[in-house]
Amino acid sequence: ETGVTQTPRHLVMGMTNKKSLKCEQHLGHNAMYWYKQSAKKPLELMFVYNFKEQTENNSVPSRFSPECPNSSHLFLHLHTLQPEDSALYLCASSQERRLEAFFGQGTRLTVV
Amino acid sequence: AQTVTQSQPEMSVQEAETVTLSCTYDTSESDYYLFWYKQPPSRQMILVIRQEAYKQQNATENRFSVNFQKAAKSFSLKISDSQLGDAAMYFCASTIQGGSEKLVFGKGTKLTVNP
Repeated sequence: ETGVTQTPRHLVMGMTNKKSLKCEQHLGHNAMYWYKQSAKKPLELMFVYNFKEQTENNSVPSRFSPECPNSSHLFLHLHTLQPEDSALYLCASSQERRLEAFFGQGTRLTVV
Repeated sequence: AQTVTQSQPEMSVQEAETVTLSCTYDTSESDYYLFWYKQPPSRQMILVIRQEAYKQQNATENRFSVNFQKAAKSFSLKISDSQLGDAAMYFCASTIQGGSEKLVFGKGTKLTVNP
């Protein structure tokens, strides 16, 4: 257990659904990240939040909408996804951007 | 663009033996950090070891050590006395700068430990 909790662990959704992924950390970290992990591909950074402010949007389609209400919580709102969006979505946090990131267990998303 | 390359999609090792996982990276930065992460079947990425590029001394963490060759941009991970619990995907990662530092990951190496 790294101190970063993601819910739900598994999610199946239709292309017209709206759902949200949640990430929570109580490590006192100030930076939080969303990564996408697809089979046979490197981890792809999606979003970075530092002190609740979004500092990175790595050309992510608008059907993914992040929200960071405070430095302990991070959400990823999903709507009208495509089957190719099926992947493992990992949340991470770090104290300083040069230090190691602590990861959650991920949400396995399947879009049908 | 910064890249991290792991040329071994899969590796296997006998229990108690030593195995080395390769990683090369490409960066124009002079100051950066390198990491090895382990992802077991439980899916949670766990930090194995960390190396600051400005340090010449190779990092070690119990049975895990790195061979950091800065000029060659190489960062290999050596696992000594391999244990069954070491079986996992191993990812090499590097930080990059540019306003918002982030980790760039390689594609990973799947390590199998044979009893």
